[in-house]
Amino acid sequence: NAGVTQTPKFQVLKTGQSMTLQCAQDMNHEYMSWYRQDPGMGLRLIHYSVGAGITDQGEVPNGYNVSRSTTEDFPLRLLSAAPSQTSVYFCASNDRRQNYGYTFGSGTRLTVV
Amino acid sequence: EDQVTQSPEALRLQEGESSSLNCSYTVSGLRGLFWYRQDPGKGPEFLFTLYSAGEEKEKERLKATLTKKESFLHITAPKPEDSATYLCAVQEAGGSYIPTFGRGTSLIVHP
Repeated sequence: NAGVTQTPKFQVLKTGQSMTLQCAQDMNHEYMSWYRQDPGMGLRLIHYSVGAGITDQGEVPNGYNVSRSTTEDFPLRLLSAAPSQTSVYFCASNDRRQNYGYTFGSGTRLTVV
Repeated sequence: EDQVTQSPEALRLQEGESSSLNCSYTVSGLRGLFWYRQDPGKGPEFLFTLYSAGEEKEKERLKATLTKKESFLHITAPKPEDSATYLCAVQEAGGSYIPTFGRGTSLIVHP
């Protein structure tokens, strides 16, 4: 019963570097989403997916790419890291079987220097 | 203008001192309203879903209620382990199943 697994838990990047945050869920959920959480800003939606092969932009998509080739995996790519992308990133999944309440991962704390 | 507004931003209580957190929303139609608890350094944890005005849900010392424009999370006789940030989120009727979150209320319960 792993739920939603995010890796890595911590990461430090230099400005301009790229990286991929991994997210996997084992609950066969339809929806998967990426959020960033900053002090005083709450959770802001970056990208989301309503099923394999389907993705869409959220509130703050610039600088990030996603793909969903399988139901289980939803990686988030930072194309060219900037200090403004320093944040805590959460992946979440939901499904009509649990009335669309989210199951969240434990988060990735990213620092861009 | 935020669609989901939570108040207060922060709340300090003494152990046993009951209180309520507020979540007001401005979506035209509500599909569902969710409450989550978030401990420091962890992801939010789902607590409740409410669907229609008048509905109530309970879990231990927590009770969530819903009216047409707001929800309350009542905390009865809180304990220090209830200290956390409580997040509210709404799904708009007719939209996607992706909710919009409020900024949260940080609750600290002193022993």
